[in-house]
Amino acid sequence: GDSVTQMEGPVTLSEEACLTINCTYTATGYPSLFWYVQYPGEGLQLLLKATKADDKGSNKGFEATYRKETTSFHLEKGSVQVSDSAVYFCALSEEYSTLTFGKGTMLLVSP
Amino acid sequence: DSGVTQTPKHLITATGQRVTLRCSPRSGDLSVYWYQQSLDQGLQFLIQYYNGEERAKGNILERFSAQQFPDLHSELNLSSLELGDSALYFCASSLRTSGGRETQYFGPGTRLLVL
Repeated sequence: GDSVTQMEGPVTLSEEACLTINCTYTATGYPSLFWYVQYPGEGLQLLLKATKADDKGSNKGFEATYRKETTSFHLEKGSVQVSDSAVYFCALSEEYSTLTFGKGTMLLVSP
Repeated sequence: DSGVTQTPKHLITATGQRVTLRCSPRSGDLSVYWYQQSLDQGLQFLIQYYNGEERAKGNILERFSAQQFPDLHSELNLSSLELGDSALYFCASSLRTSGGRETQYFGPGTRLLVL
């Protein structure tokens, strides 16, 4: 079946540092890929998505590129802020748009 | 604000009891999804409804059931509750169900605590 593997956290960074959160996937078909973010005490918000190979999703300074050859969708940001502290979930979707999530990676950014 | 609403926000109940969680999708969305988030299992898909009909089923226990009503709101019923059912339950909605490319919009969740 489908699965998503993302790096375990927490990832601890200082403000303005570079961020990479690794995500790889296993899928039977040709999935769409997503990054969702969960701020403390809140629900999940879509951060970015990509629906085909070599697509780059971007939002709020975050980027991720759909790499079919390496089955990866790593999340990157050049300069993180304290307000980026949250849990980040990589996910994929095949049939009927049901999402398969990774376990989540907590990001902690200190001033 | 995603436009998806869930009630109640918090629920505390006892083992063996039954509870109902409610979700109203974004205006115009026809699909509703239910997910369970727990510390040990992570985020798991439970069930999907599209325009009133069950569309897909995930890791949903037989003690759990759901339905989507003509006004498109959905309810998730959890019965014979066990301690392990304590979790955050999310509802999400999307416009259609188009084979994986749809974006799902999540509600704020209902936190269930079974004592």
